Amino acid sequence: AQRVTQPEKLLSVFKGAPVELKCNYSYSGSPELFWYVQYSRQRLQLLLRHISRESIKGFTADLNKGETSFHLKKPFAQEEDSAMYYCALVKGKTGGGNKLTFGTGTQLKVEL
Amino acid sequence: GAVVSQHPSWVICKSGTSVKIECRSLDFQATTMFWYRQFPKQSLMLMATSNEGSKATYEQGVEKDKFLINHASLTLSTLTVTSAHPEDSSFYICSARQDLNYGYTFGSGTRLTVV
Repeated sequence: AQRVTQPEKLLSVFKGAPVELKCNYSYSGSPELFWYVQYSRQRLQLLLRHISRESIKGFTADLNKGETSFHLKKPFAQEEDSAMYYCALVKGKTGGGNKLTFGTGTQLKVEL
Repeated sequence: GAVVSQHPSWVICKSGTSVKIECRSLDFQATTMFWYRQFPKQSLMLMATSNEGSKATYEQGVEKDKFLINHASLTLSTLTVTSAHPEDSSFYICSARQDLNYGYTFGSGTRLTVV
């Protein structure tokens, strides 16, 4: 079965410092990977998909199949980046019927 | 983009009563929707996969008679918590995916408190 691991429960950085939220996965096939963000008292929002290879709010994430990782990075943290971040995986590109597997989440706190 | 609406946002009910939560896909059709439960400061736990026109698929450990799921149309899935107990108090979230060009979209969640 697939698994997503986010080793850090809490990550605290200073404003302007680089951020890296770690995500490792285990799945034998070709997964589709996502990063979701949950701001305080708001719903989960899609931040990134590995397929689209885009940068949202300055965040990027590269799928490293060799290391089975999908770390989320941002060169300069902003105060508004403080939120809970979830890495998630779905098995292959098989439509909307496959369930997402979530990591345990990392709470990012950006301090002034 | 794809929007998922969830209602109600919060509900308080007495022990022993049943509560229905609705999840609607507003601008797309969803043959599959997902129901999650989220405990404070924890990740989302998938409860079940709701399939339009057929039975829901429940995750291991989730009581199907306790959490009734109905997906009667391509835009609506409902979760009914039957004979609610205080331990059912939680945050329930639904999700759906429009197609492969989008990620999964989440509802705003329902805070259930059983007293």
